[in-house]
Amino acid sequence: SQELEQSPQSLIVQEGKNLTINCTSSKTLYGLYWYKQKYGEGLIFLMMLQKGGEEKSHEKITAKLDEKKQQSSLHITASQPSHAGIYLCGADSGGTSYGKLTFGQGTILTVHP
Amino acid sequence: DVKVTQSSRYLVKRTGEKVFLECVQDMDHENMFWYRQDPGLGLRLIYFSYDVKMKEKGDIPEGYSVSREKKERFSLILESASTNQTSMYLCASSPTTGAILNQPQHFGDGTRLSIL
Repeated sequence: SQELEQSPQSLIVQEGKNLTINCTSSKTLYGLYWYKQKYGEGLIFLMMLQKGGEEKSHEKITAKLDEKKQQSSLHITASQPSHAGIYLCGADSGGTSYGKLTFGQGTILTVHP
Repeated sequence: DVKVTQSSRYLVKRTGEKVFLECVQDMDHENMFWYRQDPGLGLRLIYFSYDVKMKEKGDIPEGYSVSREKKERFSLILESASTNQTSMYLCASSPTTGAILNQPQHFGDGTRLSIL
């Protein structure tokens, strides 16, 4: 089965700093999904990456999928307290999987004002 | 926007009780999922369903069952609740598009369940 490892497990930054979260897969990724979760709430979909080398941005968040499609990174520029939460990556195992995703353990981000 | 609604945000039950967690989605999605989320363990899939009356076991189905009588509703049942089932439960749905790549799942707000 596919396994996803996220690093770091937690991150504390000062407001205004840039940061990067990584997601590494044990197998080739057919699709990689990034979600954000505020503590005690559900997951909010951020971005989906499919092609090797693909990069997508939304506001100050940029996600990339490497050429080999085994690693993705999430980069936040000029972090704000509103970016705080848990970031999770999810992987598509491909084929007839009925929409199943495998998730990493999450990265807890704290942003100090 | 897709709306996935879980019936309760917080629930407290006693050991041995039969517990029902309800989830409703309003976007006619074929696929629905139940996860539990525990610190350090991430999201673990309990059961999923790809059509009415169809269900498949996920990674940790023991102690749980599910029901999907209508397309919009997916229920998780704890047959005899135990303290190790205290957790955050998340429901999600996604459409089937026929494409190789799956569409993102949309999540409810979660139910924090405590078993005493």
